Amino acid sequence: GEDVEQSLFLSVREGDSSVINCTYTDSSSTYLYWYKQEPGAGLQLLTYIFSNMDMKQDQRLTVLLNKKDKHLSLRIADTQTGDSAIYFCAANRDDKIIFGKGTRLHILP
Amino acid sequence: DTGVSQDPRHKITKRGQNVTFRCDPISEHNRLYWYRQTLGQGPEFLTYFQNEAQLEKSRLLSDRFSAERPKGSFSTLEIQRTEQGDSAMYLCASSRTGHEQFFGPGTRLTVL
Repeated sequence: GEDVEQSLFLSVREGDSSVINCTYTDSSSTYLYWYKQEPGAGLQLLTYIFSNMDMKQDQRLTVLLNKKDKHLSLRIADTQTGDSAIYFCAANRDDKIIFGKGTRLHILP
Repeated sequence: DTGVSQDPRHKITKRGQNVTFRCDPISEHNRLYWYRQTLGQGPEFLTYFQNEAQLEKSRLLSDRFSAERPKGSFSTLEIQRTEQGDSAMYLCASSRTGHEQFFGPGTRLTVL
């Protein structure tokens, strides 16, 4: 079955770029996602990329997909304190979504 | 606010009691999903509905768990004879297409 792996923690200085990396195992996944979860809150769909794309940009967010290596990354430009949250990488398998354990992004002043 | 609502937001219960959670999806979405999230983990799929039909259930969904979506709109998730291991955040998501899922705020269950 699908397995999604990501690093657990990332610390970044305010104003710098954050890059969160993820790998997945199921090459049949057609959609790859990034969700954001703030403390005590549900999941916010930040962005997703279709598997036949290699890049998607949306304002401060850039998603890169290397389908050959099954590697996905999320770059947040000009990281702000409001970006402090847990970021989940995810991949679809049929109609369900398989999530990684999440990367906690900590912003340093 | 994604438009998906869940009730209650928090539930504390004693071991052995039954609990029921409700999810109201975005109105035009015919697909509804339940996930469970434990501390330090990502959400794990439990089950999903297309309209009123329950199409898939995870092996995580023991016999003590039952979900319904009687009229293809809101859904309920019931846990019978709760155990401490059931303590988690129960998340509901809805979708029109299946691949774009919008999550509610979750119901946090604590079993004492």
